[in-house]
Amino acid sequence: AQSVTQPDIHITVSEGASLELRCNYSYGATPYLFWYVQSPGQGLQLLLKYFSGDTLVQGIKGFEAEFKRSQSSFNLRKPSVHWSDAAEYFCAVGAGSGYSTLTFGKGTMLLVSP
Amino acid sequence: NAGVTQTPKFRVLKTGQSMTLLCAQDMNHEYMYWYRQDPGMGLRLIHYSVGEGTTAKGEVPDGYNVSRLKKQNFLLGLESAAPSQTSVYFCASRARTEKYSGANVLTFGAGSRLTVL
Repeated sequence: AQSVTQPDIHITVSEGASLELRCNYSYGATPYLFWYVQSPGQGLQLLLKYFSGDTLVQGIKGFEAEFKRSQSSFNLRKPSVHWSDAAEYFCAVGAGSGYSTLTFGKGTMLLVSP
Repeated sequence: NAGVTQTPKFRVLKTGQSMTLLCAQDMNHEYMYWYRQDPGMGLRLIHYSVGEGTTAKGEVPDGYNVSRLKKQNFLLGLESAAPSQTSVYFCASRARTEKYSGANVLTFGAGSRLTVL
């Protein structure tokens, strides 16, 4: 079965600074990887996804993520954080493109300081 | 296009009471899911369905039952609610595709907040 680890429970970043949220997955074959964002009291919104092709994927709101098979990682990055990016971020893994279930990490709460 | 609709949005129960959460999707999706979200635990899969009339257990199925009598609806039932079931419940759905495509993405509902006293 697949699993996801998000090592950082909370991260605080100054507005305008760069951001990297870490995600490590465990799955034997090529995974289907996602990043979702959840604002307080809201549902989950897809930021980006990866299954194959270019290992650097672009998403909405200026986010990008890089798939590194050798490190079993799919870290999320943004060059300049805005106050509106404060939210909880979830990494998720599916067992290939025809996945039945999606397994989520425990989330990383991003706080943005002025 | 409403997407995924969950009802009710909020509910307070007493221990031992029963209730049903309804998830409805209008995207003709084959797969549907129920997750629960608790602080520091992320989203954990309760039950899921890969088609009308089929259901399967997820990571945390105990204390819950589900039914998928119609393709567009996925019901989550609590027969005898316990305080440990206080949580936010999310329903999600996706299309069945065998190859990589933009359809291989879960669409989530807005959530249902359940409190069991």
